[in-house]
This record gives sequence, C-alpha cells and structure tokens, in this order.
Amino acid sequence: KAGVTQTPRYLIKTRGQQVTLSCSPISGHRSVSWYQQTPGQGLQFLFEYFSETQRNKGNFPGRFSGRQFSNSRSEMNVSTLELGDSALYLCASSLLAGHSTGELFFGEGSRLTVL
Amino acid sequence: QKEVEQNSGPLSVPEGAIASLNCTYSDRGSQSFFWYRQYSGKSPELIMSIYSNGDKEDGRFTAQLNKASQYVSLLIRDSQPSDSATYICAVNFAGGTSYGKLTFGQGTILTVHP
Repeated sequence: KAGVTQTPRYLIKTRGQQVTLSCSPISGHRSVSWYQQTPGQGLQFLFEYFSETQRNKGNFPGRFSGRQFSNSRSEMNVSTLELGDSALYLCASSLLAGHSTGELFFGEGSRLTVL
Repeated sequence: QKEVEQNSGPLSVPEGAIASLNCTYSDRGSQSFFWYRQYSGKSPELIMSIYSNGDKEDGRFTAQLNKASQYVSLLIRDSQPSDSATYICAVNFAGGTSYGKLTFGQGTILTVHP
C-alpha cells in the first residue's frame, strides 16, 4: 500500500510570494492533517480535514489555508510568505479523524525555504 | 494552554542499556497518549499508543502511563544504535468537543553509542 505522498519535496520562495503544497493520503484514509515543524517550535498543528470539511484548526494566521478534495487529496496554501515560514511542512493521513485520535501516518514533508 | 513537556536531551545511552524517555502533560482531561519516532531527515512514525494507566509492551518498547501524576514514559530495552532518533510524545485531550486536540512535545534526542 502506497504511503502518504507530498509534493514538492523542496522549494525556495521569496518573501511576499505564495506557495501551494499538495498531499495525497494513504488509499482509503479520509483524514488529512497538516503540521509545521521547525527546530525551535517542534510540531505545530495547522489544520485537519475530514471528508472535505475542516474539522480542526491550529493557531496560525489566515495566510495559511487548506482544502480537501473529494478524493481525499489535500492542498495547503501560504500567501504573502515571511522569512519565519521557512519550515518542514508535514502532511499526515488517518483512516478517521487522525488529529483527534493521534494515530497519524506522516508523509516525507515539503521543505520550504523563504529568502 | 495545554502543554506537553519533554527533556530535549540529548540522552546518550550505551548499546544494550535501557533508555528511559519521559513526558509530562498539563491537562488532566487528556485521554490518549502516543510516542512517535523521527529519524534525522525523516518524518515521524507512530511506534506506541497507550490509553489506560499501567504498562503496554511491544517488543523492546514499553509505554508507561500514570494519569494521576500526569506523565507518560517510553522505555527501550536492549537499546541499539538504530534506535538513535528523536522521540516525540503526543497527548490528545478530547475536551468537550467531538474532535480532540493533539499536542506534541518538543521531542527528546536519543543517541545509542556502541
């Protein structure tokens, strides 16, 4: 069974630009959660989608947004990039509402560098 | 603010020893507890989950939960160099809503030296 696939794996942007990251969950999984990981802050929850509905949201500004499609694939978008947005963005899928249950399967992440 | 705290380490143990990783949490309503392992440059991987007080064993790994003292620990017996990784504690507090809030600790770096 294929794992969680995230694209792109690496990207470099400049301040003020926007970025869209994509996540394909494990087949049959309906929940997708997004996390930001930085050395100083650890894993920070962004949001969770389940059956195309946002079920949970972390404490990030409105520049961070996401959506989920009917095939459970998810995208997150960050607009007006800031230097502090440089991080590893991890997507996790779960059969049920994973962020709520804690049983998450992570993708390899998208490493964003903002210059 | 619901918090999960771990000693960031690094924790260094010799090969064959028992590695003990600890995690404390602030919210008494927390209901489920998880340990993730993250190798350098890789993504986190769920290795243990525990829901009730006591011990849960899986191979060389034992998770221990004490809700009264609000701590959860992970013991790794017969530690191997391949166990060298960051171990992240995660705690889920269901609260009054249908959807819980999973909070992660900062992770403890474990180094097992030959």
